[in-house]
Amino acid sequence: AQSVTQLGSHVSVSEGALVLLRCNYSSSVPPYLFWYVQYPNQGLQLLLKYTSAATLVKGINGFEAEFKKSETSFHLTKPSAHMSDAAEYFCAVSANTNAGKSTFGDGTTLTVKP
Amino acid sequence: KAGVTQTPRYLIKTRGQQVTLSCSPISGHRSVSWYQQTPGQGLQFLFEYFSETQRNKGNFPGRFSGRQFSNSRSEMNVSTLELGDSALYLCASSLSQGAPGELFFGEGSRLTVL
Repeated sequence: AQSVTQLGSHVSVSEGALVLLRCNYSSSVPPYLFWYVQYPNQGLQLLLKYTSAATLVKGINGFEAEFKKSETSFHLTKPSAHMSDAAEYFCAVSANTNAGKSTFGDGTTLTVKP
Repeated sequence: KAGVTQTPRYLIKTRGQQVTLSCSPISGHRSVSWYQQTPGQGLQFLFEYFSETQRNKGNFPGRFSGRQFSNSRSEMNVSTLELGDSALYLCASSLSQGAPGELFFGEGSRLTVL
């Protein structure tokens, strides 16, 4: 069984500030981990993925995440927030190379203040 | 390359009716998954189809069903609609063949049940 916990349903940062969105996972097998972003009235778009290669993963729009097995975490960061980053972010876990059945966290809404 | 296409984008039904939603995956993708997204329950996995066979199934009642055609297009059907079925239904496709398995989402079909 797998599960994902996203700490903080709402995060607010100022433009230019560090973005940190937290994700902890539980998986009985080596996990594949993903971060997705959803803008209003749209589907989800992949930001980045961890697939047991490098533990520091770089994604689109300046986001990156670090896989820490000892902490079962996969937190998403961005050094400097931009207004266009305001959206809902989802962490997801999949048990194998087939992501068809992914388990998603509850999501974190990111607000960026001018 | 065209993305995942879902139709219709919006629809309104009344309790007791049934609804069919359609999804056309990215060309070459053989896996199609369906998710229900609601404010209270978040993203919940409905089912996944691969090569016209249901490969995974979530914890939804039998009123929720789906199928996949030989061209990988998929439909999901909800019979005897209930108020609680109001949601954004997201379809996602993936390569599901040796790749790390990211999901490519459509923009969703927003169902309102009155």
